[in-house]
Amino acid sequence: GAVVSQHPSRVICKSGTSVKIECRSLDFQATTMFWYRQFPKQSLMLMATSNEGSKATYEQGVEKDKFLINHASLTLSTLTVTSAHPEDSSFYICSAVSSGGPNEQFFGPGTRLTVL
Amino acid sequence: AQKVTQAQTEISVVEKEDVTLDCVYETRDTTYYLFWYKQPPSGELVFLIRRNSFDEQNEISGRYSWNFQKSTSSFNFTITASQVVDSAVYFCALSTPNVGRRALTFGSGTRLQVQP
Repeated sequence: GAVVSQHPSRVICKSGTSVKIECRSLDFQATTMFWYRQFPKQSLMLMATSNEGSKATYEQGVEKDKFLINHASLTLSTLTVTSAHPEDSSFYICSAVSSGGPNEQFFGPGTRLTVL
Repeated sequence: AQKVTQAQTEISVVEKEDVTLDCVYETRDTTYYLFWYKQPPSGELVFLIRRNSFDEQNEISGRYSWNFQKSTSSFNFTITASQVVDSAVYFCALSTPNVGRRALTFGSGTRLQVQP
């Protein structure tokens, strides 16, 4: 199956710093990628839809100025958590939609962010 | 609005028991897709199955089986002869091909503990 990678897998940072998370589709092109967030012992919640070459679409309650998304190529989307705070500590997972169909999605392994 | 309900928060069984995880969904779309994912402690989502709304045939894959009933909007998942390695959180999810609703809507998850 198609492979999606995320980097880094784990990151610990100090409060107030910015952290960039990369999501790459390794063997297919993805015009659409999704970013999800999962707090401990909770479900995955969609944060935003990342579209190649255009602005991301954010879900209600997600601050676009805090969670910057860039989808500069068909294989890479980045999520930057700006001025991170302890409440941003979470598991961030991306998925990429293949050209095989609008619902053929492949998930990355996730990035665990801890903000001290 | 789309919604997925997994009423069972946690289930504990003894090895070799059969266990069924319930999933009930809501959507206004006539075309939709249903998924089950397994999330072990590592966090990475493991894809188990995808079903489209036009295919109500039940499916069996080894010890896993799925029962899709449109009449009750349910997509239940049964593990036969459970094993310790089946211990994980299981998520049921829904998506549609319609723009704006392609991302997965996840249920709250069911934590399955299989005791030796």
